[in-house]
Amino acid sequence: GVTQSPTHLIKTRGQQVTLRCSSQSGHNTVSWYQQALGQGPQFIFQYYREEENGRGNFPPRFSGLQFPNDSSELNVNALELDDSALYLCASSLAGGPYYEQYFGPGTRLTVT
Amino acid sequence: AQSVTQLGSHVSVSEGALVLLRCNYSSSVPPYLFWYVQYPNQGLQLLLKYTTGATLVKGINGFEAEFKKSETSFHLTKPSAHMSDAAEYFCAVDSGSRLTFGEGTQLTVNP
Repeated sequence: GVTQSPTHLIKTRGQQVTLRCSSQSGHNTVSWYQQALGQGPQFIFQYYREEENGRGNFPPRFSGLQFPNDSSELNVNALELDDSALYLCASSLAGGPYYEQYFGPGTRLTVT
Repeated sequence: AQSVTQLGSHVSVSEGALVLLRCNYSSSVPPYLFWYVQYPNQGLQLLLKYTTGATLVKGINGFEAEFKKSETSFHLTKPSAHMSDAAEYFCAVDSGSRLTFGEGTQLTVNP
């Protein structure tokens, strides 16, 4: 399955954070979502074969990387209080008419 | 752009009663629709999906949903609620390889 680390972390406003995800074996696409408290997940961006393949309405201080070994990262610079949320990683296999996405358990980020 | 609207942020039912969670979608193309469940402090688990074909879709844990194009709806049902069904439920539409989620419906099951 999809795994994410760390489970929880606390950062201070202005700091930088890196969240990690390990995709399901064989999947070539990873998507990241932000889920604020009491809301549905919001699409941040997607990576396909190590290239960004679409971005939602998030500023450039949200960036990502995808590696050949089924792992990926979400980096957030200059953290703001509103960045406090559950960050979900989802992996999928591109090639069909839709992407069936498999979600990890998430990383809970708290910015103080 | 595709979107979904979930009617009712909180639904409360008695154990054994019918569960009905409502979802309406907006899409300019034939939609791919999904229902996910999220238990406390966990990620999202796929309950069921509609892609093409049969409009009544059966999922895990006894849930099913019916795609109604004329009503632009994809409501989730379960004939008899169980305590373990208490969770948050999200309807989502595939928006070109990304998912657009509704705001979610918190289901409470009372003994």
